[in-house]
Amino acid sequence: NAGVTQTPKFRILKIGQSMTLQCTQDMNHNYMYWYRQDPGMGLKLIYYSVGAGITDKGEVPNGYNVSRSTTEDFPLRLELAAPSQTSVYFCASTYSGTMGSDTQYFGPGTRLTVL
Amino acid sequence: GQNIDQPTEMTATEGAIVQINCTYQTSGFNGLFWYQQHAGEAPTFLSYNVLDGLEEKGRFSSFLSRSKGYSYLLLKELQMKDSASYLCAVRSGGANNLFFGTGTRLTVIP
Repeated sequence: NAGVTQTPKFRILKIGQSMTLQCTQDMNHNYMYWYRQDPGMGLKLIYYSVGAGITDKGEVPNGYNVSRSTTEDFPLRLELAAPSQTSVYFCASTYSGTMGSDTQYFGPGTRLTVL
Repeated sequence: GQNIDQPTEMTATEGAIVQINCTYQTSGFNGLFWYQQHAGEAPTFLSYNVLDGLEEKGRFSSFLSRSKGYSYLLLKELQMKDSASYLCAVRSGGANNLFFGTGTRLTVIP
């Protein structure tokens, strides 16, 4: 298992450009998440999905969009990039059943700079 | 809303024991997690508590008191590789969402 993979690892955008951060998991997890982590800060939830075709907003969704057409993939779209979106983006996934800790497993992250 | 507090930085000596505290205020508490994050890397799962008491996993232990909104992570026999940030996260709500503290940066010195 590759676990959770993210591409690209690094990206520099100009203000107003758009891009898609890719996230794929091969663990057959039903729940997937996007977080951002600013320097010296904790992770903030952007969007999450409880299954294919179902997405919902987290704490900081403004300026982002997501889709979940398959169980494996959960891309994050940035439209009209702004300097405030400079951050490290982590994708995570878990299998949420009726019991257990439902531990979230994280991808390696995408470091995005908007200039 | 969620409010999760933990110290910003701690320093400890190799071979010693260190305790990292986390206090939280949340509605719909459904578990507390500790993650380790080395600089430039992704968080990795360390421990999980949902009931009061101590959970031990090798050199790492985690304690939870739900009535006090308090948890700690105990690291024994510190090694240089334990230098990292330790993130406290509370799970609440029906969608298994985690709410993270800002993390405690631990530096282990010889």
